[in-house]
Amino acid sequence: DAGVTQSPTHLIKTRGQQVTLRCSPKSGHDTVSWYQQALGQGPQFIFQYYEEEERQRGNFPDRFSGHQFPNYSSELNVNALLLGDSALYLCASSTRQVQETQYFGPGTRLLVL
Amino acid sequence: GESVGLHLPTLSVQEGDNSIINCAYSNSASDYFIWYKQESGKGPQFIIDIRSNMDKRQGQRVTVLLNKTVKHLSLQIAATQPGDSAVYFCAENPRDDKIIFGKGTRLHILP
Repeated sequence: DAGVTQSPTHLIKTRGQQVTLRCSPKSGHDTVSWYQQALGQGPQFIFQYYEEEERQRGNFPDRFSGHQFPNYSSELNVNALLLGDSALYLCASSTRQVQETQYFGPGTRLLVL
Repeated sequence: GESVGLHLPTLSVQEGDNSIINCAYSNSASDYFIWYKQESGKGPQFIIDIRSNMDKRQGQRVTVLLNKTVKHLSLQIAATQPGDSAVYFCAENPRDDKIIFGKGTRLHILP
């Protein structure tokens, strides 16, 4: 039973560039949530996707966008990268029942120079 | 407001002793709480959860206590082992289904 997987594991970009991160949910899960974790902080909710639509969104600018595919995998896109976007980006999957446990992937470490 | 925090940033415990990690939450409407463990370079790992209709829940070597009156959550780890070294986050999952994390407590195990 495969857990949540994310790619790439590490990424280095420069300011102004765009980045795409990918996530495959745990087998049997259909909901994907994305979180940003700055160094020394707890993860912050970015948004959640279910049925290929954004269902919930945290306090992040429109530079952060996402997509969910029919196979439930998901992408996180960040445009016009800023130095402050450097963080660990986590994907969590769950089933579409409110307040069901979310299981996290290993994350993608993004460094913006 | 929406915030979940922890009382102590770092906790050092002797190997074999019990560990208690505390958490205060501010959203009185929250009714589902989770503890996650995060090891260096890894994503958060689910440990145990509790719903607001309970005040105690036990797992393998772990117990979560919920005191809704004072909005306090705690995680107890029995017979702490070196592998328990990590950052522990309490989190709340309100009905809008976005998990709100606290800042975390780093647990150090002393030999």
